[in-house]
Amino acid sequence: AQSVTQLGSHVSVSEGALVLLRCNYSSSVPPYLFWYVQYPNQGLQLLLKYTTGATLVKGINGFEAEFKKSETSFHLTKPSAHMSDAAEYFCAVSDRHQAGTALIFGKGTTLSVSS
Amino acid sequence: NAGVTQTPKFQVLKTGQSMTLQCAQDMNHEYMSWYRQDPGMGLRLIHYSVGAGITDQGEVPNGYNVSRSTTEDFPLRLLSAAPSQTSVYFCASSSTIADQETQYFGPGTRLLVL
Repeated sequence: AQSVTQLGSHVSVSEGALVLLRCNYSSSVPPYLFWYVQYPNQGLQLLLKYTTGATLVKGINGFEAEFKKSETSFHLTKPSAHMSDAAEYFCAVSDRHQAGTALIFGKGTTLSVSS
Repeated sequence: NAGVTQTPKFQVLKTGQSMTLQCAQDMNHEYMSWYRQDPGMGLRLIHYSVGAGITDQGEVPNGYNVSRSTTEDFPLRLLSAAPSQTSVYFCASSSTIADQETQYFGPGTRLLVL
């Protein structure tokens, strides 16, 4: 069965500091991996995704993530945090490479950014 | 395109009442799904549909019904609301053709059951 573990329910960084949000997954087949962001009182917005090909994936707002099969990880990073990055971030996995596939979500990590 | 829309944005119910959460998409997506979001739990799948007339259960289906009579609409029905159904509900859709691995989410419905 698939599962997603996000390490750290709350991460705090200073503006300009590196952002690192950790995600580990388990899947019996090559997974599709996603990061979504949720701003307060809003829906989920796709940040980036990994399906096949290059393991370093670049997303919106300067975020990127690297798929590491040997570590079963898909950590999200951003070199320099901005106040507007404060939000909740969800890692998700899908192991069926077709439509009609639900996502399995992690429990989320809330990112706080201080000035 | 409006994308995925959900109504109402917020609803208060009394225990035992019924209601329908509406979800519509204008992207001609065949796949639609309902999730609930609870603090510290992430999003959990309630029901999903791979096309008109086809639905199936997800991880937490008890207390909820769905039907899919058109490609555009996927309503979620609570037959007899319980306080445990207090949550934020998200509808999502994806294409069977283009960009099929990406799901697009609606803005959510906040439900409070007293």
